[in-house]
Amino acid sequence: QVQLVESGGGVVQPGGSLRLSCAASGFTFSSYGMHWVRQAPGKGLEWVAFIRYDGSNKYYADSVKGRFTISRDNSKNTLYLQMNSLRAEDTAVYYCAKDPTLYCSSTSCSPGGYWGQGTLVTVSS
Amino acid sequence: DIQMTQSPSAMSASVGDRVTITCRASQGISNYLAWFQQKPGKVPKRLIYASSSLQSGVPSRFSGSGSGTEFTLTISSLQPEDFATYYCLQHNSYPPTFGQGTKLEIK
Repeated sequence: QVQLVESGGGVVQPGGSLRLSCAASGFTFSSYGMHWVRQAPGKGLEWVAFIRYDGSNKYYADSVKGRFTISRDNSKNTLYLQMNSLRAEDTAVYYCAKDPTLYCSSTSCSPGGYWGQGTLVTVSS
Repeated sequence: DIQMTQSPSAMSASVGDRVTITCRASQGISNYLAWFQQKPGKVPKRLIYASSSLQSGVPSRFSGSGSGTEFTLTISSLQPEDFATYYCLQHNSYPPTFGQGTKLEIK
């Protein structure tokens, strides 16, 4: 069965960096695009970033563009989110989510039915 | 970016009620619309994709409809486990955008 397990969250000071990981299993990781979605405490869902199945294309929300970098290692079945220049408003639970479409490469790719349990990032001094 | 506006933002209903939640897109998105359910402290769960296709394992009392700019999620007969927050998501063009959520509470 599909499993997505995030790790790497924690408390970081404003301006600091953190790298999140998402370990995938139960499917052919190298065949599916992957997303990061976040949710600030008590707030709604916000899509953060997407990476194509082969890592050749990446897309970001304007709110994180230039500060966050999505990447993947298909040999390790792992998705990453490198977060730099963190701000208080980046405080959220971060979820990784699998795209449901095999080899999705268009701008209609989206999070599907499989999400990780989330990892909490708190940006505070 | 495409803006997604859900209505209502919150509502109360009783077990057995028929409930409809609406999501309007700021521009046409064809049928690139999904609905998610989220309970407190839990991971979002996809209920509907492609506007009207039911996710495997989701009860048939959930249904979706619409195309273009207006979409609805209908729960035909509310069950106790349906009280949650519901989000629509458009993915016609990047960035994908969620509605602000509709909190469904017990009356």
